[in-house]
Amino acid sequence: QSALTQPASVSGSPGQSITISCTGTSSDVGGYNYVSWYQQHPGKAPKLMIYEVNNRPSGVSNRFSGAKSGNTASLTISGLQAEDEADYYCSSYTSSSTLDVVFGGGTKLTVL
Amino acid sequence: QVTLRESGPALVKPTETLTLTCTFSGFSLSTSAMRVSWIRQPPGKALEWLARIDWEDDKFYSPSLKTRLTISKDTSKNQVVLTMTNMDPVDTATYYCARMSGYNWGFDYWGQGTLVTVSS
Repeated sequence: QSALTQPASVSGSPGQSITISCTGTSSDVGGYNYVSWYQQHPGKAPKLMIYEVNNRPSGVSNRFSGAKSGNTASLTISGLQAEDEADYYCSSYTSSSTLDVVFGGGTKLTVL
Repeated sequence: QVTLRESGPALVKPTETLTLTCTFSGFSLSTSAMRVSWIRQPPGKALEWLARIDWEDDKFYSPSLKTRLTISKDTSKNQVVLTMTNMDPVDTATYYCARMSGYNWGFDYWGQGTLVTVSS
């Protein structure tokens, strides 16, 4: 069982917007602005899409945005494109025990 | 440019010790705020953070695996090594190393991953 909770799957049609949630606790998501999001295509390494809740690395489309409210972070993808179909993982710093980083269970995005 | 590459055995037997090496370029682990973590992903499952070492040689481990893991670095060789003892079939996974620069909280560069299968 992953430390952060994500929906197993979401779907949307091309051009639409979708949002993926990531729920943690006050020891991780809710306590720090250290939330990141990763996109992973089959057989590939994860790619950083959002860091520190709502910042995009250079080269990442502005169709990707992040936010946080309380213990829940979210990733929104607007103007869905076929190439957005992938698994998405959230991650957070955690102050629990010696654990440094926790991941969510991942969300499979299907573009219909 | 920044690159990371994992290397190690593709197959290990149960109870054996796994040693993985992350060889990187484009940055130095002696630079302030640099960190390298190991992360694994069993087939079809989620990412799991394992361990981290940073520029000051501080080390952090997943509590559930702490007794089995050792992370170390060789700054002169630009390498980070992870050892995991007493391997079990449930440890079958793709193992990644990834960089976090510290100024931006996120793993900005990843290796391509190496699949390790634990089987007799």
